[in-house]
Amino acid sequence: AQSVSQHNHHVILSEAASLELGCNYSYGGTVNLFWYVQYPGQHLQLLLKYFSGDPLVKGIKGFEAEFIKSKFSFNLRKPSVQWSDTAEYFCAVRYSGAGSYQLTFGKGTKLSVIP
Amino acid sequence: EAGVAQSPRYKIIEKRQSVAFWCNPISGHATLYWYQQILGQGPKLLIQFQNNGVVDDSQLPKDRFSAERLKGVDSTLKIQPAKLEDSAVYLCASSKSGTEYNEQFFGPGTRLTVL
Repeated sequence: AQSVSQHNHHVILSEAASLELGCNYSYGGTVNLFWYVQYPGQHLQLLLKYFSGDPLVKGIKGFEAEFIKSKFSFNLRKPSVQWSDTAEYFCAVRYSGAGSYQLTFGKGTKLSVIP
Repeated sequence: EAGVAQSPRYKIIEKRQSVAFWCNPISGHATLYWYQQILGQGPKLLIQFQNNGVVDDSQLPKDRFSAERLKGVDSTLKIQPAKLEDSAVYLCASSKSGTEYNEQFFGPGTRLTVL
């Protein structure tokens, strides 16, 4: 079965620290990859996405992610976090060729940034 | 542009009762998705509509869950009868079409508590 693993359940950082959230997915076929963010009290929003081309993708608010096909990974990074980055982050995969184009989500990583 | 609308935002029922959730997608979006997000997990797709037709309902517990999108616009998800394990946030999302390049936009969700 298709699955997405996010290794960190809760990450606590001080402001200005660097962030890396891990995401690994199963299956070796063609995939589309996404990171969604849910700020407290708000709905899920797309942070960035990868379909093809340059494996290093840049998203909103200074976030970036790198697709490493050999490792089935799509880790999210930010060089310097801010208190406003406190949120829950979800990695999601869509397996190309699946007719429904459904997203398979990881369990999420809660990020708490301490001022 | 208005986002995806959902109602109610919260619902508390007792087990074996029935409940219905409503979703109005972004205007012009042909594809509508219902997801279930249990506490501590990522969203899981329940059903996907393309206009008023079902594309994927493979993860919908059809013995108690039903959904419709009669006119290809808004949609209703029903649970009858509810079980304790149905306690979750029910998310509606929409996209312009069902092709893999279209971003899914999420609504605020309906938080269901089954007592």
